[in-house]
Amino acid sequence: AQSVTQLGSHVSVSEGALVLLRCNYSSSVPPYLFWYVQYPNQGLQLLLKYTSAATLVKGINGFEAEFKKSETSFHLTKPSAHMSDAAEYFCAVNDGGATNKLIFGTGTLLAVQP
Amino acid sequence: EAGVVQSPRYKIIEKKQPVAFWCNPISGHNTLYWYLQNLGQGPELLIRYENEEAVDDSQLPKDRFSAERLKGVDSTLKIQPAELGDSAVYLCASSTTQGTEQYFGPGTRLTVT
Repeated sequence: AQSVTQLGSHVSVSEGALVLLRCNYSSSVPPYLFWYVQYPNQGLQLLLKYTSAATLVKGINGFEAEFKKSETSFHLTKPSAHMSDAAEYFCAVNDGGATNKLIFGTGTLLAVQP
Repeated sequence: EAGVVQSPRYKIIEKKQPVAFWCNPISGHNTLYWYLQNLGQGPELLIRYENEEAVDDSQLPKDRFSAERLKGVDSTLKIQPAELGDSAVYLCASSTTQGTEQYFGPGTRLTVT
């Protein structure tokens, strides 16, 4: 069965600092992997996705993620945090099979300090 | 392009009352999903539709929850009767039939008192 683990339910960084949000997945088949962002009282917005085309995936708002099969990881990074990045971030996995179901992690709440 | 539309955005009801949520997916998206998001958790799938057919409803508590997508476009999710533990955000998402990307609406935040 697929699963996603996000290490760190809360992460706090200073404005301008590196953002690193961790995600490890478990999947018996090559997965599709996603990062979504959720701002307060809003739905989920797709940041980026991995679909095996390239291991380094660039997304919106300056975020990127690297797929590492050997580590079963898909960590999200941004070189320089902005105040507007404060939100909750969810990693998700989809095996692309018949169910086409997204399995989400429990989320990481990112705080950006001035 | 219009995104996924959901209404209402917020709903407060007393326990044992019925409640319904409405979703209009992105035009051309045949697949529609309803997710439940509890506070501090990631969304969990309740039901998935391919056109009018519910192809995965294994996580839907059928004793009190029901859903329909009569014409293969809009969908309604109903709870009757609501319980205190149903307080959560109900998210609707849509995708193309073979698409792995799902696009989410803003959600309905339900509070049961």
